[in-house]
Amino acid sequence: DAGVIQSPRHEVTEMGQEVTLRCKPISGHNSLFWYRQTMMRGLELLIYFNNNVPIDDSGMPEDRFSAKMPNASFSTLKIQPSEPRDSAVYFCASSLGTGGWKGNEQFFGPGTRLTVL
Amino acid sequence: DQQVKQNSPSLSVQEGRISILNCDYTNSMFDYFLWYKKYPAEGPTFLISISSIKDKNEDGRFTVFLNKSAKHLSLHIVPSQPGDSAVYFCAASIDNAGNMLTFGGGTRLMVKP
Repeated sequence: DAGVIQSPRHEVTEMGQEVTLRCKPISGHNSLFWYRQTMMRGLELLIYFNNNVPIDDSGMPEDRFSAKMPNASFSTLKIQPSEPRDSAVYFCASSLGTGGWKGNEQFFGPGTRLTVL
Repeated sequence: DQQVKQNSPSLSVQEGRISILNCDYTNSMFDYFLWYKKYPAEGPTFLISISSIKDKNEDGRFTVFLNKSAKHLSLHIVPSQPGDSAVYFCAASIDNAGNMLTFGGGTRLMVKP
């Protein structure tokens, strides 16, 4: 399996521009997660989906951030408009989405490094 | 308010010796704990986990210990190898499916040949 695929790997944009990050989870995985890693806040969960439905978005920083999962093999995280403080590495992860914790570990993609100038 | 803390930002160990990475948490509702390893320019990879009903879990060279009364867990790597050099994150979850993970700040382990 190719693992979790994220694109682009690097994104440089100017303040005010719209940014869209993409993720393809591992085939057969039912849960998908978006994380953000910064020096100040570390690795934090933004939102997660189960069976394409958003379950918890309490980590989404503000209304400028939105995430969608139109089907089981694709998800996007959009920032509009982007600001310099959004600069971070954004990770997507997926898991089987079983009812319990055993065998339900999350597999992370390589991340997208976003720089907002 | 950091609910999961890794107080040592870095650790240096000689090859063949034991590496001990520590993690403290404040939320008594956490009932599932994990360790992830991260290499530069890659995403974190799952290493080992432990449920709150246990106090020890072992997988090859890696052992995780949980002390619920002290709200403390540790990862032991024996023997340490240069390939173990990475950033290690501990994480904890309240939900029983391990979905809502709260991560510590990470500890950079350097294993010297």
